[in-house]
Amino acid sequence: DAGVIQSPRHEVTEMGQEVTLRCKPISGHDYLFWYRQTMMRGLELLIYFNNNVPIDDSGMPEDRFSAKMPNASFSTLKIQPSEPRDSAVYFCASSWGGAAKHFGPGTRLTVL
Amino acid sequence: RKEVEQDPGPFNVPEGATVAFNCTYSNSASQSFFWYRQDCRKEPKLLMSVYSSGNEDGRFTAQLNRASQYISLLIRDSKLSDSATYLCVVNIRGNDMRFGAGTRLTVKP
Repeated sequence: DAGVIQSPRHEVTEMGQEVTLRCKPISGHDYLFWYRQTMMRGLELLIYFNNNVPIDDSGMPEDRFSAKMPNASFSTLKIQPSEPRDSAVYFCASSWGGAAKHFGPGTRLTVL
Repeated sequence: RKEVEQDPGPFNVPEGATVAFNCTYSNSASQSFFWYRQDCRKEPKLLMSVYSSGNEDGRFTAQLNRASQYISLLIRDSKLSDSATYLCVVNIRGNDMRFGAGTRLTVKP
């Protein structure tokens, strides 16, 4: 089992650019979560999907953030336009049944 | 009051010591509780679930006190490899799990 796969692992971009983060959940898992981690705010849930359907996006900071899950094996988190305050580590996690979660290695995003 | 609160530490203990962390939560209706560990610049990894009757996994013991709304993690005979940040996780509703800010543990030789 390859675990949750995220790409890219590191992203450095300039303010105003579009950023797309990708996630492949563990095969067979029916829940997918996007988290953001910063020193100031810790780990925050942004959005989660159940069977590819967004269930709760109340953690998405603003309209610049969007997430999709076109099929059971792929999800994206997009930031457009990016701002320096979006700099953080973005984690994708998946689970079966919505309980404990398996995290991917994260994408370290730096917006200059 | 924060939904999940932990003492950030750091806890610095010698090898072989016993160390305990507490975590308080605000939502009395919470049903699921977990401890995760996170190594520096790595992803969080599930350490153990916390059950109502308390549970043990080797050197680790987790307990839940619903009346006082806290969970605890006890590490016995601590090892250098136990050095990490320990995150308390509580569900506040449905599958919305809230993470504490974490407690940093350093085990020294």
